[in-house]
Amino acid sequence: GQNIDQPTEMTATEGAIVQINCTYQTSGFNGLFWYQQHAGEAPTFLSYNVLDGLEEKGRFSSFLSRSKGYSYLLLKELQMKDSASYLCAVRGDYKLSFGAGTTVTVRA
Amino acid sequence: KAGVTQTPRYLIKTRGQQVTLSCSPISGHRSVSWYQQTPGQGLQFLFEYFSETQRNKGNFPGRFSGRQFSNSRSEMNVSTLELGDSALYLCASSSSKGDGGYTFGSGTRLTVV
Repeated sequence: GQNIDQPTEMTATEGAIVQINCTYQTSGFNGLFWYQQHAGEAPTFLSYNVLDGLEEKGRFSSFLSRSKGYSYLLLKELQMKDSASYLCAVRGDYKLSFGAGTTVTVRA
Repeated sequence: KAGVTQTPRYLIKTRGQQVTLSCSPISGHRSVSWYQQTPGQGLQFLFEYFSETQRNKGNFPGRFSGRQFSNSRSEMNVSTLELGDSALYLCASSSSKGDGGYTFGSGTRLTVV
């Protein structure tokens, strides 16, 4: 089965950088996803990693190390609208398993 | 292009009743998966379908079932509803490659009273 861990909450200041770590154990690994979810809304896709290394997309970057079962999402130049829950999800055996989510609060 | 459409958006049912939820994927997407989201348990995988075949099923009782039609639309059914089934049910579609991410619908908020 899958076991995915990420911190529960993080707080940062507008304009700062925050790194959300995710560790996982899974069988049949076939990719790691990061999603953003605002309260009362559906998750929206942020990034996908299947090979080791860093993927950069504007203010968001995601890193993967398959040998360590580790990923992080880096949010740069934080804005108030980035306050949301960030979900780490691992695909394996035709199943997408989610971590409990990290609530990021951006303060002015 | 149109996104993932889930109907209905909100539903109130009584314990013991059954419910059917519908999901229309993005055009061209053949994979549809379902999730239950609750404050205590987070997002839990229910099942995934591809070309009308269930590829995997999560750890839910047999009261939860689903199917996919030839046009890739999917339905999930919950029979003999319990209070604990109150949740947001999300459907997601993805392309056959699976590398474009899963696009989620807005969900169906089910309340069991």
